Amino acid sequence: EDQVTQSPEALRLQEGESSSLNCSYTVSGLRGLFWYRQDPGKGPEFLFTLYSAGEEKEKERLKATLTKKESFLHITAPKPEDSATYLCAVGGSGNTPLVFGKGTRLSVIA
Amino acid sequence: ETGVTQTPRHLVMGMTNKKSLKCEQHLGHNAMYWYKQSAKKPLELMFVYNFKEQTENNSVPSRFSPECPNSSHLFLHLHTLQPEDSALYLCASSQGAGGSSQETQYFGPGTRLLVL
Repeated sequence: EDQVTQSPEALRLQEGESSSLNCSYTVSGLRGLFWYRQDPGKGPEFLFTLYSAGEEKEKERLKATLTKKESFLHITAPKPEDSATYLCAVGGSGNTPLVFGKGTRLSVIA
Repeated sequence: ETGVTQTPRHLVMGMTNKKSLKCEQHLGHNAMYWYKQSAKKPLELMFVYNFKEQTENNSVPSRFSPECPNSSHLFLHLHTLQPEDSALYLCASSQGAGGSSQETQYFGPGTRLLVL
């Protein structure tokens, strides 16, 4: 059974204090790992898809990396507007549905 | 109107009521999804439709009844719900369904449902 674990559950950062969020996964053949951002009362917003170990993608202050067992979402010099819940999802082999983690709730304090 | 829209945004209903949630996608996608999001829990997939055909029913109780009249519209009909069904219901769409390279899902804003 495909599994996703995100850590930490919550993270509080000062503005400008860089950090990383973790997404550990267990799948029988990874076809894709997805990162989303979700603001309170809104639907998840797509950020990145990673397909193979060693792949990296960047968008503004965010950088996602992937290994065979986990993915990291690095946040460089975060701003208060980066505060949100960040969700990770994985798709295993075949047509199995995506499995989502519980998310990491990030708070960036000015 | 762009992206994925959902109506209503908020809904309060009694356990004996019948209501429907509506989702519309303006992205030209072929697959549509219903998810349930409860506090402290991961997103739970409920139903998947691909080219209007239901391809996934994740053991959802029969008090939830989906309908997909075309690739752009998706409904979730609700009847005799329980208080534990209170949650955020999210609709999503993707170009292709699971297993394809075009399966990135794009979500609507959700319907916040409260069952009294």
